Amino acid sequence: QSALTQPASVSGSPGQSITISCTGTSSDVGRYNYVSWYQQYPGKAPKLMIWEVSNRPSGVSNRFSGSKSGNTASLTISGLQAEDEADYYCSSYTSTTTPHVFGPGTKVTVV
Amino acid sequence: EVQLVESGGGLVQPGESLRLSCAASAFAFRTYYMRWVRQAPGKGLEWVADIKGDGSEKRYVDSVKGRFTISRDNGNSSLYLQMNSLTVADTAVYYCARGGVWGFDVWGQGTMVTVSS
Repeated sequence: QSALTQPASVSGSPGQSITISCTGTSSDVGRYNYVSWYQQYPGKAPKLMIWEVSNRPSGVSNRFSGSKSGNTASLTISGLQAEDEADYYCSSYTSTTTPHVFGPGTKVTVV
Repeated sequence: EVQLVESGGGLVQPGESLRLSCAASAFAFRTYYMRWVRQAPGKGLEWVADIKGDGSEKRYVDSVKGRFTISRDNGNSSLYLQMNSLTVADTAVYYCARGGVWGFDVWGQGTMVTVSS
């Protein structure tokens, strides 16, 4: 069972904006600004999309943005495109004996 | 190009051992925390272990403590995971990844470990 909670699926039409939530606790998301987001296509390795809540690595589209409020972090994809259809995982650093935890993943579907 | 390439996966029986390797290139390997992350078939990502740049600190998820050992050879820019007493629950794709507290910015392509009788 994941320490972080994400919706199993989110869908949207091309051009729309969607938001994926990631809820943790005061030991992880609520305590640190070390929330990251990963995109994963089937059979491929994850790709870092957001680090430290809202920073985008070089090369990642500015259609992807991150934020955090309390124990919940969010990933927003604006101007949804067919290529955004993938699984998205959040992760947080934690103060527990398991320093990094992931959410269960959210499948994004572009309808 | 910054790259991580895993090897060593395969099919083993319960109770057997396996050693995974990860070859790093094009970055200052010794300055980064390195970690192993696994993904069981059809499941999500799970952090397994990590090791500080100089090898002085190692941490493990509870389910592998006492069975898995992470190590590194900074001279050869290589990361390892020695896995002993494997169980069916260890079946997964194992990724090596680079990063710090802020996240995992470079990932390998993964190597499949299947534990089955």
